[in-house]
Amino acid sequence: AQKVTQAQTEISVVEKEDVTLDCVYETRDTTYYLFWYKQPPSGELVFLIRRNSFDEQNEISGRYSWNFQKSTSSFNFTITASQVVDSAVYFCALSEAYSSASKIIFGSGTRLSIRP
Amino acid sequence: EAQVTQNPRYLITVTGKKLTVTCSQNMNHEYMSWYRQDPGLGLRQIYYSMNVEVTDKGDVPEGYKVSRKEKRNFPLILESPSPNQTSLYFCASSYWTSGQETQYFGPGTRLLVL
Repeated sequence: AQKVTQAQTEISVVEKEDVTLDCVYETRDTTYYLFWYKQPPSGELVFLIRRNSFDEQNEISGRYSWNFQKSTSSFNFTITASQVVDSAVYFCALSEAYSSASKIIFGSGTRLSIRP
Repeated sequence: EAQVTQNPRYLITVTGKKLTVTCSQNMNHEYMSWYRQDPGLGLRQIYYSMNVEVTDKGDVPEGYKVSRKEKRNFPLILESPSPNQTSLYFCASSYWTSGQETQYFGPGTRLLVL
């Protein structure tokens, strides 16, 4: 069965620190997709990234980077030089086919607080 | 402006009174889905749709129905709402381009069933 574990319930760091959010997944499929989402205090959901299981290249987008390691079934998210606006709950998710419009399950989320 | 709209944004209703939460996207996306978010249970997928007339169950479909008669709309129907369906609901649509996916969420619908 699929499972997504975000062991870090809450993280608090001081602004400008780097922070990594962990995501560990379980699946029996060889083809799957991994996602990260952000939910700021205002409550909306924001899609950040989708990664295919056959593409282990790391992804960087500005201050955000993602490290996908099949060997450890992990898809970790790093924010470099964190800012107060990064404060949010971050969800990792797993889908076994196609896209977010296939069956998808979410981790329980990590609440990230960035202190000024 | 690309957007996913949901209506209503807030709703208080009573047990058993049928209701529909509408979801509409203006981006011609093929894929749409519904989620609910509950404290302690996180985000869970209710239904998803890969195209017009193609829908399938997510993790928690019980008590819900959906339809996808046209690409832009994906309403969520609660035929006989119960208090355990009190939740925050999100609709989303997504598309692929050059092997990459982008997903847009609606603003959410907060539902209270008494």
